Amino acid sequence: SQTIHQWPATLVQPVGSPLSLECTVEGTSNPNLYWYRQAAGRGLQLLFYSVGIGQISSEVPQNLSASRPQDRQFILSSKKLLLSDSGFYLCAWSKGQGSYNEQFFGPGTRLTVL
Amino acid sequence: QQQVKQSPQSLIVQKGGISIINCAYENTAFDYFPWYQQFPGKGPALLIAIRPDVSEKKEGRFTISFNKSAKQFSLHIMDSQPGDSATYFCAASTPMYSGGGADGLTFGKGTHLIIQP
Repeated sequence: SQTIHQWPATLVQPVGSPLSLECTVEGTSNPNLYWYRQAAGRGLQLLFYSVGIGQISSEVPQNLSASRPQDRQFILSSKKLLLSDSGFYLCAWSKGQGSYNEQFFGPGTRLTVL
Repeated sequence: QQQVKQSPQSLIVQKGGISIINCAYENTAFDYFPWYQQFPGKGPALLIAIRPDVSEKKEGRFTISFNKSAKQFSLHIMDSQPGDSATYFCAASTPMYSGGGADGLTFGKGTHLIIQP
């Protein structure tokens, strides 16, 4: 069966510090990978998605970047965090080949920027 | 531009009652409509999903009703239980690309459901 991991689970960082969040998927090959951000009381906003190693698409201009160094690894980064980067960050995966976009989410990382 | 509108924002239902959450979409290219259940501090879990070629899908106490002409779909939770108390999100997606890629899901803003015992 497939599992998705995210770490760290929680993170408190000062404004201006760098960020690196990691997501890994097990039990599948060539998945599509996604990063979403969930602000308090709001829905999920797609930040990045990737259909393969080194292939990143960005949905919104922002202070963040993403990378996919390995097939089942997705990293979310920032060089200098802003207060507005606080939120709940979720990684998701879907099958690389399929008839519809069924996505499965990881446990999330709670980021607080102070 | 919000492409998926979800209502109500919050809902209180008595144990054993029916919980109904509604969503409306604008993009006629959407072809996949999932519902997610999220407990505090956890990632969303896929609950049930529907394609536009059917008008209803039922899985246990959960039912999706889909109205393609009205561009609306809804989640019904029968015999609601306290353990169903969570935030529910509807979502929609366009078709997978021929090469296997896909856009992300477009989410509604969520409904905070409370089932009172």
